[in-house]
Amino acid sequence: QQQVKQSPQSLIVQKGGISIINCAYENTAFDYFPWYQQFPGKGPALLIAIRPDVSEKKEGRFTISFNKSAKQFSLHIMDSQPGDSATYFCAASMRGSQGNLIFGKGTKLSVKP
Amino acid sequence: ETGVTQSPTHLIKTRGQQVTLRCSSQSGHNTVSWYQQALGQGPQFIFQYYREEENGRGNFPPRFSGLQFPNYSSELNVNALELDDSALYLCASRTTLLGETQYFGPGTRLLVL
Repeated sequence: QQQVKQSPQSLIVQKGGISIINCAYENTAFDYFPWYQQFPGKGPALLIAIRPDVSEKKEGRFTISFNKSAKQFSLHIMDSQPGDSATYFCAASMRGSQGNLIFGKGTKLSVKP
Repeated sequence: ETGVTQSPTHLIKTRGQQVTLRCSSQSGHNTVSWYQQALGQGPQFIFQYYREEENGRGNFPPRFSGLQFPNYSSELNVNALELDDSALYLCASRTTLLGETQYFGPGTRLLVL
């Protein structure tokens, strides 16, 4: 049973536009929600992460919005650039989960120049 | 780059064979997790090692086993390979058992024929 659902599967955005990727989770025990960026042939790299006691976190052009009551969180990439073209994964874990990050299926983002 | 290295980068095996994949954790990290990433999917947690002992396991059969050495490097062993084992195998290290941020290596691409 998939515990983290991610959408859309793919996304095409024009340079300078806003990219929005959404995730929904089921387990209310999750308390850590990271986003990873993966380029072809590379391992996932941590982009930004949030805890459920915060509704929004911003780092540069990347913002996570978190809605605890709806059990949803999203990644917003402002002023999207061609270099942002990659696959993005949301994930979730719970304290004491013994290293177990639950990943979404990923969103392939293409930013057109 | 995260400082986590994996070897080999690519590997081709035939069904029924055994394979060993290796991971060198980032300096100072004593906890390592292994993930399997099938094509077009998010990584799936296999197991975690802390202080040379398995400390958490995902939904993978016993033919997936591992080791962690005193220098915190790690191995993933897979016996009786099946076609569905073809995937990218990722290791991720973190500072301690309670450290949230997992730093991924570039992965080993395994193809089972």
